[in-house]
Amino acid sequence: DVKVTQSSRYLVKRTGEKVFLECVQDMDHENMFWYRQDPGLGLRLIYFSYDVKMKEKGDIPEGYSVSREKKERFSLILESASTNQTSMYLCASSPFVGDLNYGYTFGSGTRLTVV
Amino acid sequence: AQSVAQPEDQVNVAEGNPLTVKCTYSVSGNPYLFWYVQYPNRGLQFLLKYITGDNLVKGSYGFEAEFNKSQTSFHLKKPSALVSDSALYFCAVRDIASGNQFYFGTGTSLTVIP
Repeated sequence: DVKVTQSSRYLVKRTGEKVFLECVQDMDHENMFWYRQDPGLGLRLIYFSYDVKMKEKGDIPEGYSVSREKKERFSLILESASTNQTSMYLCASSPFVGDLNYGYTFGSGTRLTVV
Repeated sequence: AQSVAQPEDQVNVAEGNPLTVKCTYSVSGNPYLFWYVQYPNRGLQFLLKYITGDNLVKGSYGFEAEFNKSQTSFHLKKPSALVSDSALYFCAVRDIASGNQFYFGTGTSLTVIP
């Protein structure tokens, strides 16, 4: 069974802290994505990656960075956490972008609270 | 521009009644349409997709969706709702013109009343 694993289900961090959200997939997928989910706003794309060491900005990259040193792992970094980054963060992966038959496989999400 | 609209934030339906969750889309080329479900504090799970072929698509948990090209709609349906169907539902469209990116709707919260 394909799986996307997010290391933490719940996190509480202080304002100004550097925060790492980890995501690992075991499906040998090329593409990985980070979204944040907020009520009434749906899913908003933060960053995505089509390959190792590649990254592309999504719709709301400000305040975030990412790292993809290995194919299976895609990390989201909050350089200096702020209260407006309190949200549910979802990681997803998919096979080669050219294969339109596949959707995304999502992790269970990390609910981050910044106090 | 690509977009997905879910016009209802909340849908309530009695258990055993049919349910419909609405979705309309806008893409520049052929649409590749998906439905996902999210249970509380969980990630999104794939329900069904329309790529090509029959306009009525069947998916997981007894759900189905009807693709209507003239109305640019892809409504999710189920003949008989269960209390366990209560969840957040997202419609998504994959657009070739923008590098096969997914665009998600804002979600519809479905509550099935016992």
